[in-house]
Amino acid sequence: KNEVEQSPQNLTAQEGEFITINCSYSVGISALHWLQQHPGGGIVSLFMLSSGKKKHGRLIATINIQEKHSSLHITASHPRDSAVYICAVRSGGNYGGSQGNLIFGKGTKLSVKP
Amino acid sequence: DARVTQTPRHKVTEMGQEVTMRCQPILGHNTVFWYRQTMMQGLELLAYFRNRAPLDDSGMPKDRFSAEMPDATLATLKIQPSEPRDSAVYFCASGLEGGGGFPQHFGDGTRLSIL
Repeated sequence: KNEVEQSPQNLTAQEGEFITINCSYSVGISALHWLQQHPGGGIVSLFMLSSGKKKHGRLIATINIQEKHSSLHITASHPRDSAVYICAVRSGGNYGGSQGNLIFGKGTKLSVKP
Repeated sequence: DARVTQTPRHKVTEMGQEVTMRCQPILGHNTVFWYRQTMMQGLELLAYFRNRAPLDDSGMPKDRFSAEMPDATLATLKIQPSEPRDSAVYFCASGLEGGGGFPQHFGDGTRLSIL
């Protein structure tokens, strides 16, 4: 079982729809990251959070530490939001002997149709 | 804006050849990470440096891969000898670590093809 699970794996939406991508993890963490990988391959860090909620423009990220779950929401989706969204967690202790490294989910591929 | 710079952007070479990938972290960042991305495995950590010291390279095949930081402005990842299964996109990321949880800034990656 992967330490970080994302759902759905693929998501197709119509422009303007509200989108939710989910991330569940099984290890203790110090922080959770949401990353966006564009079709060209570049990776952008969207959010880093360890509790509560963060908002940036049309993007909202929430995390529930007790339930080991995070969601990424996109309001009023647009075709330019089409990308792969990756959840990654930073282990909170000596997980695997590695402090500070990120454990990645497999990503959610989002396509927003005009 | 400050950026992580990776070179080369693309590399095609024959198996058995040495491959060297370079990364210039953002000035002032004290951590550097090397990741590999493949269709099958997704993103995987290969090596992690803090203040130029290697903290974790357990994700790296030791017999053929090596990662170094000759100075604070340069990180290198070498493969010798290269094999077709090494074909992937290799990302470098840097960050400023001052406690638990810090954002990592990614370079554009080196797309490596081993024939």
